[in-house]
Amino acid sequence: DAGVIQSPRHEVTEMGQEVTLRCKPISGHDYLFWYRQTMMRGLELLIYFNNNVPIDDSGMPEDRFSAKMPNASFSTLKIQPSEPRDSAVYFCASSFQGTATNEKLFFGSGTQLSVL
Amino acid sequence: QKEVEQNSGPLSVPEGAIASLNCTYSDRGSQSFFWYRQYSGKSPELIMFIYSNGDKEDGRFTAQLNKASQYVSLLIRDSQPSDSATYLCAVLDSNYQLIWGAGTKLIIKP
Repeated sequence: DAGVIQSPRHEVTEMGQEVTLRCKPISGHDYLFWYRQTMMRGLELLIYFNNNVPIDDSGMPEDRFSAKMPNASFSTLKIQPSEPRDSAVYFCASSFQGTATNEKLFFGSGTQLSVL
Repeated sequence: QKEVEQNSGPLSVPEGAIASLNCTYSDRGSQSFFWYRQYSGKSPELIMFIYSNGDKEDGRFTAQLNKASQYVSLLIRDSQPSDSATYLCAVLDSNYQLIWGAGTKLIIKP
């Protein structure tokens, strides 16, 4: 398995532009997570899905952020409009539930987002 | 607010010595405990997990859990320069939410 695949690896955009981050989870995994990481705040959970259904989006900072999972093999995180404070590394992670939730996350390589 | 606390470091350890990383958590009902390693510019990678009190060994790594004292630690024996990374502690709390520590930066000096 290729692991969790994220694209793009790097994104540089101007304030006000729309940004779309993409993620393909590991096949067979039923949980998908979007995290944001900064030096100041560490790893922050933005939203997670179970079987393509959003379960908890309480970490989404503002209405400018939205996430979708149209099928088991694809998810997007969209920021519209983007702001400089959104600059961070965005990670997608997936897991298989097994006997408990949130077990053993497998992370993608991340998207380094810079909003100028 | 449930918390997971780690010393941010950096923790500097000579090559070949034992590196000891510690983590405390606030939710007494926490169930599962994880250590992730994150190299600079890379994504976190799971290296150890522990569910029960006591020690769990995997190669040069040992995870230790003490639920009464609410701490979990990671020992790295025979430390190598390749162990230099940030180590993130993550705790599955009583609400099945994964709470992350801020990480400890470990530097192994040749």
